[in-house]
Amino acid sequence: QLQLQESGPGLVKPSETLSLTCSVSGGSISSSRYYWGWIRQPPGKRLDWIGSIYYSGSTYYNPSLKSRVTISVDTSRNQFSLKLSSVTAADTAVYYCASQIFGVVKPIDKWGQGTLVIVSS
Amino acid sequence: QSVLTQPPSVSGAPGQRVTISCTGSSSNIGAGYDVNWYQQLPGTAPKLFIYGDTNRPSGVPDRFSGSKSGTSASLAITGLQAEDEADYYCQSYDSSLSGYVVFGGGTKLTVL
Repeated sequence: QLQLQESGPGLVKPSETLSLTCSVSGGSISSSRYYWGWIRQPPGKRLDWIGSIYYSGSTYYNPSLKSRVTISVDTSRNQFSLKLSSVTAADTAVYYCASQIFGVVKPIDKWGQGTLVIVSS
Repeated sequence: QSVLTQPPSVSGAPGQRVTISCTGSSSNIGAGYDVNWYQQLPGTAPKLFIYGDTNRPSGVPDRFSGSKSGTSASLAITGLQAEDEADYYCQSYDSSLSGYVVFGGGTKLTVL
């Protein structure tokens, strides 16, 4: 059974870079069946797709965040990571990592538990 | 402003049937892209409830069903139960701006 777990700082200062890692267990991140994605949810607000990566390294980003986002994969550690630069208070959210089934629409079949990241000085 | 529009809230009494709509456009649902639905209980991660417009993952009760027509999709819940009270999100793909995954704004279902 695939499991995902986010890790990283819960507090980031404005203008700095938010960095999170997702550890995948119960399956290989090199599986051709999945994309690996990041989704966030500001407190009390809707879900917002950040981007996804395939094990080959191909990336797909939300156009509204593309200039600030980098998603990378480390197949040797079965992990993938998110970097979001120049953060502001608007980036405060619960960040989820997830497995997305291969295809155009990329349904999300497994989610991490989520980690709250607060942007504040 | 979400690319996919959902009603902020719906409600129904136990045993009743409710539907949640998800309205898009010609660059997403209307273009034929699949719609997926997620249930999010308070304080938890979302869970996939419907994929590929109409399919239920194992473990999801058959009281839940999905449909799609034109630029809209719907989630129907029959035999409403107290445990169904949650937020529901639709999700699809939009082909504008080089293409990206999109979510609806979410609908809060209240069981009266």
